Amino acid sequence: KQEVTQIPAALSVPEGENLVLNCSFTDSAIYNLQWFRQDPGKGLTSLLLIQSSQREQTSGRLNASLDKSSGRSTLYIAASQPGDSATYLCAVEYNNNDMRFGAGTRLTVKP
Amino acid sequence: DGGITQSPKYLFRKEGQNVTLSCEQNLNHDAMYWYRQDPGQGLRLIYYSQIVNDFQKGDIAEGYSVSREKKESFPLTVTSAQKNPTAFYLCASETGTMNTGELFFGEGSRLTVL
Repeated sequence: KQEVTQIPAALSVPEGENLVLNCSFTDSAIYNLQWFRQDPGKGLTSLLLIQSSQREQTSGRLNASLDKSSGRSTLYIAASQPGDSATYLCAVEYNNNDMRFGAGTRLTVKP
Repeated sequence: DGGITQSPKYLFRKEGQNVTLSCEQNLNHDAMYWYRQDPGQGLRLIYYSQIVNDFQKGDIAEGYSVSREKKESFPLTVTSAQKNPTAFYLCASETGTMNTGELFFGEGSRLTVL
């Protein structure tokens, strides 16, 4: 069964800290992996999309890496800010538009 | 502005009633999806459609129905057969082809059964 796991479920850090969010998946035959941000009661906003042939993607203070062989992806957030507080979800897309989501990591950045 | 619009944002339903959630996109995307989100769980796929007049069941299609008569629209009906319909429902569409696309989401519809 294709499962996506995100650990930890919740994380609290002081402002300015660099942090890493983890995503692991059981089936490495992926097409792509996408990281999303979700604010309470809102939809998901795409942050970074990594194709299966890529190793990483960067956007501003965010960097996502992909290691298919080990079934892992990380989302690195540099110099965290209170505005980064949200739930971060990773999603892995397999064949036939089958996308599997993790349950998310709820991040709190304290001023 | 291009995007995905879901309505209504909040909906209350009595037991035994069918309700329809609207999803409209002006991104010219072929593929559209409906997900259900429950607290502490990942999103679960209800239905998806890769092209007009065609749709496929996802993991939890029982008690739901969809239609795809226009490229822009993918409404979801939550029927009285759905035993636990209270949830947050998210509609999405995807760019590109062959699983290379980026997924875009609407703002969601929260359904509560009274």
